[in-house]
Amino acid sequence: DIVMTQAPLSLPVIPGEPASISCRSSQSLLHSSGDNYLNWYLQKPGQSPQLLIYLGSNRASGVPDRFSGSGSGIDFTLRISRVEAEDVGVYYCMQALQTPLTFGGGTKVEIK
Amino acid sequence: QVRLDTSGGGVVQPGKSLRLSCAGSGFTFKNYAMHWVRQAPGKGLEWVAAVAFDGSNKYYGDSVKGRFTISRDNSKDTLYLHMNSLRPEDTAVYYCAKVMFAFGGLTVNPPDSWGQGTLVTVSS
Repeated sequence: DIVMTQAPLSLPVIPGEPASISCRSSQSLLHSSGDNYLNWYLQKPGQSPQLLIYLGSNRASGVPDRFSGSGSGIDFTLRISRVEAEDVGVYYCMQALQTPLTFGGGTKVEIK
Repeated sequence: QVRLDTSGGGVVQPGKSLRLSCAGSGFTFKNYAMHWVRQAPGKGLEWVAAVAFDGSNKYYGDSVKGRFTISRDNSKDTLYLHMNSLRPEDTAVYYCAKVMFAFGGLTVNPPDSWGQGTLVTVSS
């Protein structure tokens, strides 16, 4: 199984400031198609997860452009250019290269 | 607007069975692969199972293989999770999710819309 490791576990942020979350996989998520099968989700308090980024760097429909994903192979980063209060919650990376699909342990983002 | 209504959760004794349902609307259900993902209280997300858009392929996580069965009835726009031999460690909120791309595979294709979840508690 592919193991996904996120850092940090907790991320206090100041509104208006940037933030970034790291995700590392135990094996490359780069497919022969040239795409990285890595997705990012945000689970806001009391809600279901919502897709933010797919294929490593593509924003899902309706996701603000302050969110961006980058990386390739085994190292990936989610960046928020200017954090807003509504961005609090737990962020998860998930690999979709092979079953079982696996998630990172999550990064809790909270307002400092 | 995509809607996934999950139901069937509750309190069940260890060793017993339960069936979860997920009714889809707002999209052509029969064209999309579907997943079940669970979240134990206060914990992270764990993928449980997935089924192809036509039901031809099914995959399971190691922790539920042989005990849980995923199925779908495209005539009723409904996804199911049949859970047997339930254990206390199966206690979780169970979410169903549809994938982004129609007719796409079970991997590669990201789950993009999630239901509200239903809580399953396994306890004597």
